[in-house]
Amino acid sequence: NAGVMQNPRHLVRRRGQEARLRCSPMKGHSHVYWYRQLPEEGLKFMVYLQKENIIDESGMPKERFSAEFPKEGPSILRIQQVVRGDSAAYFCASSPSDRSYNEQFFGPGTRLTVL
Amino acid sequence: DQQVKQNSPSLSVQEGRISILNCDYTNSMFDYFLWYKKYPAEGPTFLISISSIKDKNEDGRFTVFLNKSAKHLSLHIVPSQPGDSAVYFCAASAPGSGTYKYIFGTGTRLKVLA
Repeated sequence: NAGVMQNPRHLVRRRGQEARLRCSPMKGHSHVYWYRQLPEEGLKFMVYLQKENIIDESGMPKERFSAEFPKEGPSILRIQQVVRGDSAAYFCASSPSDRSYNEQFFGPGTRLTVL
Repeated sequence: DQQVKQNSPSLSVQEGRISILNCDYTNSMFDYFLWYKKYPAEGPTFLISISSIKDKNEDGRFTVFLNKSAKHLSLHIVPSQPGDSAVYFCAASAPGSGTYKYIFGTGTRLKVLA
């Protein structure tokens, strides 16, 4: 009964490189959310996806960031041309549906460090 | 614009005593509130939630109180145990902007002293 899985747990990139973060939701969950936590801050919503659909990306930076949740395989958060300000913990969460009063279950996070 | 505020960054409590963690919010449209606990290098773990139609919800040692007129909620842990030492986040969501879009506070670090 695995929970939400994220990999890698730690990722180091140099400025200008690409970062790919992967998230496998809990079994039976078809809704995935990505959050970012900067140092000393709370988690900030980035994007909400269902299989093959982006439902809400209002929290995503307009450039360099993209997310997908293909029919097969994990959800991917992709950051192109990373900058130092992208260094943060990125958490993925999943839920069985998006209806009210349905808590989200979080993965352990990927800690991205940009050198 | 911080819509969910946890004004105490840290709290120390003696084992066996009550821990009270506070959270204030500014958006009157919030109708669902949650508390998450987070250990270092792990993801947040759901603790307890409350909808705006209630003013109290209990689960074992954890009780959440909601005061809508004051836009304030609190988490009570009694009795506190050393394993409760973690960072606690409150979160809220509003039906208009998407019930899935949790707005998190900045967290309160609780330390329970043995």
